[in-house]
Amino acid sequence: DAGVTQSPTHLIKTRGQHVTLRCSPISGHKSVSWYQQVLGQGPQFIFQYYEKEERGRGNFPDRFSARQFPNYSSELNVNALLLGDSALYLCASSLLAGVNSYNSPLHFGNGTRLTVT
Amino acid sequence: GESVGLHLPTLSVQEGDNSIINCAYSNSASDYFIWYKQESGKGPQFIIDIRSNMDKRQGQRVTVLLNKTVKHLSLQIAATQPGDSAVYFCAEIPLGSARQLTFGSGTQLTVLP
Repeated sequence: DAGVTQSPTHLIKTRGQHVTLRCSPISGHKSVSWYQQVLGQGPQFIFQYYEKEERGRGNFPDRFSARQFPNYSSELNVNALLLGDSALYLCASSLLAGVNSYNSPLHFGNGTRLTVT
Repeated sequence: GESVGLHLPTLSVQEGDNSIINCAYSNSASDYFIWYKQESGKGPQFIIDIRSNMDKRQGQRVTVLLNKTVKHLSLQIAATQPGDSAVYFCAEIPLGSARQLTFGSGTQLTVLP
């Protein structure tokens, strides 16, 4: 079975531009989460979606938005890019909305490396 | 603020030895803990998890120990192999916040031949 897949794998954008990142969860998983990982640090929570509804939001500005589609895939959008948005953006999926149970751990994709120049 | 932290940023071990990676957490309300392994260029890979009602859980070659008294979590890797070289993160979920993980900054494990 395929794991979490993300596209594109790498992306270079200019300050002020907009970017859309895409994610397909593991088959059967209904929850998708997005994390930002700055070089040398652990991932930071951005959003969680379950059954197409936003169920959690981290401490990120309104320039960050996301949505989940009927097939449970998801998009992360970032507007008015800043140099500080350069990071690895990770998508993760889980079976349930809650990720704190032994039968619903969070599984990550390999991320999209975004560079803002 | 409360956060998950790690004692050491780097750890080097000889191939075949056992590795112990430590993690301190400060949120006493944390209910669930996970260890992830992240290889260069890849996303975090789930290793093992443990809930706060347990103090030990074993997987294949890995054991997680939880000491709630001192708020300490450790990952033990038996017979460390070159493929174990990676950054290891502990993450927590506080009680009542079941939807997001709080990660520490990671420990770089290097396995020496």
